Amino acid sequence: ETGVTQTPRHLVMGMTNKKSLKCEQHLGHNAMYWYKQSAKKPLELMFVYSLEERVENNSVPSRFSPECPNSSHLFLHLHTLQPEDSALYLCASSQATGDQPQHFGDGTRLSIL
Amino acid sequence: GENVEQHPSTLSVQEGDSAVIKCTYSDSASNYFPWYKQELGKRPQLIIDIRSNVGEKKDQRIAVTLNKTAKHFSLHITETQPEDSAVYFCAASIGNSNYQLIWGAGTKLIIKP
Repeated sequence: ETGVTQTPRHLVMGMTNKKSLKCEQHLGHNAMYWYKQSAKKPLELMFVYSLEERVENNSVPSRFSPECPNSSHLFLHLHTLQPEDSALYLCASSQATGDQPQHFGDGTRLSIL
Repeated sequence: GENVEQHPSTLSVQEGDSAVIKCTYSDSASNYFPWYKQELGKRPQLIIDIRSNVGEKKDQRIAVTLNKTAKHFSLHITETQPEDSAVYFCAASIGNSNYQLIWGAGTKLIIKP
């Protein structure tokens, strides 16, 4: 399934770098999500967009900045990250928010040096 | 806050036997309960979901049961096969939010040949 595509698959960056993660969905969905997945912890919802408007921000540090230019694309801009930000970042989309199945991308494995 | 507890964290079963994973949720207004399977290095994929107006749902070797009174739901896999080895996540919708799922911490299922 290639409905949700994330790039890059792997990213290594220093704490002072600026980088961006990209997500693209080809499913015609109206909602998109960013999750953080750390080992042995539940998926942590970071941001939710519905029809290109941010509808949820779960107290995420400002060093993470999302952008949703249209309903098919979602970015996560990274700046001055900390070692504890190393994790797998997953993008997902769904037809609408709420009680709808979410379709995930393969994720970006982020390592902060 | 709302939470979902998932047990066990690791489950090892003999090939051909059944596996059961249980989740308990706290929000009595939750009405949507999906289960996702994540194979090593791959994306989470929806395998089955259930809504609060249904007590049980089955899809071939996979079934989910829901007990609204006790606020728990379970995943049942029968006649387990090696390809069932993965991490399984449960989730529950938050009643007063149209945007979020609350996720369990995951169960690593190991199928022994």
